[in-house]
Amino acid sequence: DGGITQSPKYLFRKEGQNVTLSCEQNLNHDAMYWYRQDPGQGLRLIYYSQIVNDFQKGDIAEGYSVSREKKESFPLTVTSAQKNPTAFYLCASRTGYDSNQPQHFGDGTRLSIL
Amino acid sequence: AQTVTQSQPEMSVQEAETVTLSCTYDTSESDYYLFWYKQPPSRQMILVIRQEAYKQQNATENRFSVNFQKAAKSFSLKISDSQLGDAAMYFCAYRSFTGNQFYFGTGTSLTVIP
Repeated sequence: DGGITQSPKYLFRKEGQNVTLSCEQNLNHDAMYWYRQDPGQGLRLIYYSQIVNDFQKGDIAEGYSVSREKKESFPLTVTSAQKNPTAFYLCASRTGYDSNQPQHFGDGTRLSIL
Repeated sequence: AQTVTQSQPEMSVQEAETVTLSCTYDTSESDYYLFWYKQPPSRQMILVIRQEAYKQQNATENRFSVNFQKAAKSFSLKISDSQLGDAAMYFCAYRSFTGNQFYFGTGTSLTVIP
């Protein structure tokens, strides 16, 4: 079955450490997204990518970095510069061909500070 | 950036009754798409219904329907014959016709009372 796989489901970060969240999709979607979800704040866009080797900052990109070397993969690195990383992170993807198509989401990764 | 507002942080409904969740948005564009997503306790984001702004007819998906008022920039979700499985967080989202970014509201937590 096609879908989006996020791993790990739970992740713990030590102070000063960089951690990477994985997002893989086999839907042949062009666009991929990373969101951060905090209680009472809905989903906020961190980064998105429309094609391979290209990505744009969202509303809260500071302290995060991404890469898009393959169409299927869009990993998110939470750097030590992100001082408040504890949150639920959602990855999404969307086809670029039909403009009315919605995003499809992974099951999320919960990141906590040790 | 477009703003999406969900003014009801929490709502409750008796099982088998009808409930309406509100969403308003701010945009200067004439063509765009609107979506309602459901996020149950499992945290998976599930598309409930979508509406194209150029369509005057309100979208319907089984027990879910929308009341789309373009002039008022309002996009409410009506759930009929509410079921226990409808209990979830509901998010309204906006995307412009030509853009790739989705803008989400802060969500409404729906409780279904048996």
